[in-house]
Amino acid sequence: DVKVTQSSRYLVKRTGEKVFLECVQDMDHENMFWYRQDPGLGLRLIYFSYDVKMKEKGDIPEGYSVSREKKERFSLILESASTNQTSMYLCASSLFGTGIYNEQFFGPGTRLTVL
Amino acid sequence: ELKVEQNPLFLSMQEGKNYTIYCNYSTTSDRLYWYRQDPGKSLESLFVLLSNGAVKQEGRLMASLDTKARLSTLHITAAVHDLSATYFCAVRETSGSRLTFGEGTQLTVNP
Repeated sequence: DVKVTQSSRYLVKRTGEKVFLECVQDMDHENMFWYRQDPGLGLRLIYFSYDVKMKEKGDIPEGYSVSREKKERFSLILESASTNQTSMYLCASSLFGTGIYNEQFFGPGTRLTVL
Repeated sequence: ELKVEQNPLFLSMQEGKNYTIYCNYSTTSDRLYWYRQDPGKSLESLFVLLSNGAVKQEGRLMASLDTKARLSTLHITAAVHDLSATYFCAVRETSGSRLTFGEGTQLTVNP
């Protein structure tokens, strides 16, 4: 069973704080993704990584950065949290390449509130 | 830029009825995914559709793909309350690993 875990289910931070969201997967997947989910907007891709130390911007990277020092771990960093970053953050992982399914497996999500 | 649109966005239906959720996408894709999300929970994979004419069924849910029309449908047969959830379709472009998600369809099945 693929398991994707996220460090916190709920997080409350203050404006201007630096925030770290951690994601760990245990299936040796090359690809890892960070999304944010907001009502009526579906899931929007923030950043993804297809290998250690590699990263690609998604559709909404502004205000975020990422780190991938080990294959199993992908961190999302909010350098200076703002209230408009209050959201549900979902991490996902998948195999690299054009394998038959290559579906993404999701973590439980972190609901971040920035006050 | 790949765009994915679902409709309806909200669906309230009675138990025992049938209905279809539609997913349209704007560019060529080599696979389409359907996910389910229960309130407060993460996304769970339901179906992966790989080719034109693909049809997959699991219980009361059936998904199909028409790549020429760039359309996928998720058909619900004889709905039950347990199917209440938000359903997302997601499309993968022909190259690359990233997915583009639709807005989601929030389904409520009433007794």
